[in-house]
Amino acid sequence: DARVTQTPRDKVTEMGQEVTMRCQPILGHNTVFWYRQTMMQGLELLAYFRNRAPLDDSGMPKDRFSAEMPDATLATLKIQPSEPRDSAVYFCASGLGTSGRNTGELFFGEGSRLTVL
Amino acid sequence: AQSVTQPDIHITVSEGASLELRCNYSYGATPYLFWYVQSPGQGLQLLLKYFSGDTLVQGIKGFEAEFKRSQSSFNLRKPSVHWSDAAEYFCAVGANYGGSQGNLIFGKGTKLSVKP
Repeated sequence: DARVTQTPRDKVTEMGQEVTMRCQPILGHNTVFWYRQTMMQGLELLAYFRNRAPLDDSGMPKDRFSAEMPDATLATLKIQPSEPRDSAVYFCASGLGTSGRNTGELFFGEGSRLTVL
Repeated sequence: AQSVTQPDIHITVSEGASLELRCNYSYGATPYLFWYVQSPGQGLQLLLKYFSGDTLVQGIKGFEAEFKRSQSSFNLRKPSVHWSDAAEYFCAVGANYGGSQGNLIFGKGTKLSVKP
């Protein structure tokens, strides 16, 4: 059963520490998204990639966040240094876009819950 | 700019009762529309989608949704709710980017509670 895999599931860290979250998209999917979910803001897009190229990272605080896709099977989201306001659940999602018969739905991982003390 | 509004933050229904969750969108062209469900501690699971054709779409778990262009709405319905339907429901619109999929823009969600 194909699924998006995220690690770690839970992370507790102290302010100022570096945090790296990883995502393995579904094999063959060419778009990868990072979303952040908080009670106050709901689901916010942080960044997304198509064919490993970053297309939009306007939702990310550039001074501390970075997102990369070193290869087609791995996407990373890094926070350095982390701050308490970064506490949230971070979701990775992948999809096939809307070309051809594809209709743009995204498949979500189970999320990485980050707590910054 | 594209946006999605889910006017109800929290809804409680009795088990066996019918359900309708509201969703209104703002989008300049024919939208791709989705409903997702999220159980506690889980990711989002696709319930159903609309991209063209029949405006009444069927999804998993007995859910359906109707696209009404004149009202910019895509409301989710279920004729008889089960206790296991208690979860948070998100409506989303797909934003085009250069002719193909951009990201999904999500509403704030509606939390559904089910009374025995």
